[in-house]
Amino acid sequence: KNQVEQSPQSLIILEGKNCTLQCNYTVSPFSNLRWYKQDTGRGPVSLTIMTFSENTKSNGRYTATLDADTKQSSLHITASQLSDSASYICVVSAGAGGTSYGKLTFGQGTILTVHP
Amino acid sequence: SAVISQKPSRDICQRGTSLTIQCQVDSQVTMMFWYRQQPGQSLTLIATANQGSEATYESGFVIDKFPISRPNLTFSTLTVSNMSPEDSSIYLCSVAGGASGRYEQYFGPGTRLTVT
Repeated sequence: KNQVEQSPQSLIILEGKNCTLQCNYTVSPFSNLRWYKQDTGRGPVSLTIMTFSENTKSNGRYTATLDADTKQSSLHITASQLSDSASYICVVSAGAGGTSYGKLTFGQGTILTVHP
Repeated sequence: SAVISQKPSRDICQRGTSLTIQCQVDSQVTMMFWYRQQPGQSLTLIATANQGSEATYESGFVIDKFPISRPNLTFSTLTVSNMSPEDSSIYLCSVAGGASGRYEQYFGPGTRLTVT
């Protein structure tokens, strides 16, 4: 069964600090891994997408890493801001070619709270 | 990127009634999906909305409970029928586009449904 596990479940940090969120997955066949940010009351918004051959992808203050051998990913947030408070969801896409559309396995998310 | 709007944004409904949620996309898309996000949980795929044919439902979801329409490439509806309190969730419309191995998947803002 395809699974995505995230840790920690929740995290509280002070504004300006860095943090790293973890994601472990067992999804086969692997297509790509995504990190989404979901603000309260909103739909998820894509931060990064990484395929098998990519091990690092940055989007501003967000840097995602992927180790396809150990099936682990991390999302590092640098110099956190109050607006970073949200749920961060690791999502792995399964399937090859045209079968991969929509076949997403979602993690439970890490709830990040940034305090001033 | 695709801009997705949903109506209503939230509703409170009585047990036994039905609610139809509308999803409108600002561009033509091939792949459109409906997800459910129960309180404190991650997203679960309900079905793929197919234009011109019956929706494809995931295990645990049936057409009688969640009828879906997809009259064209920019619009879809999801009906939650004969509601019970267990149907209280956020329902999200999603679309996908791009190369299948690295496609973008966008989510609408969601419809927050409370069943009393």
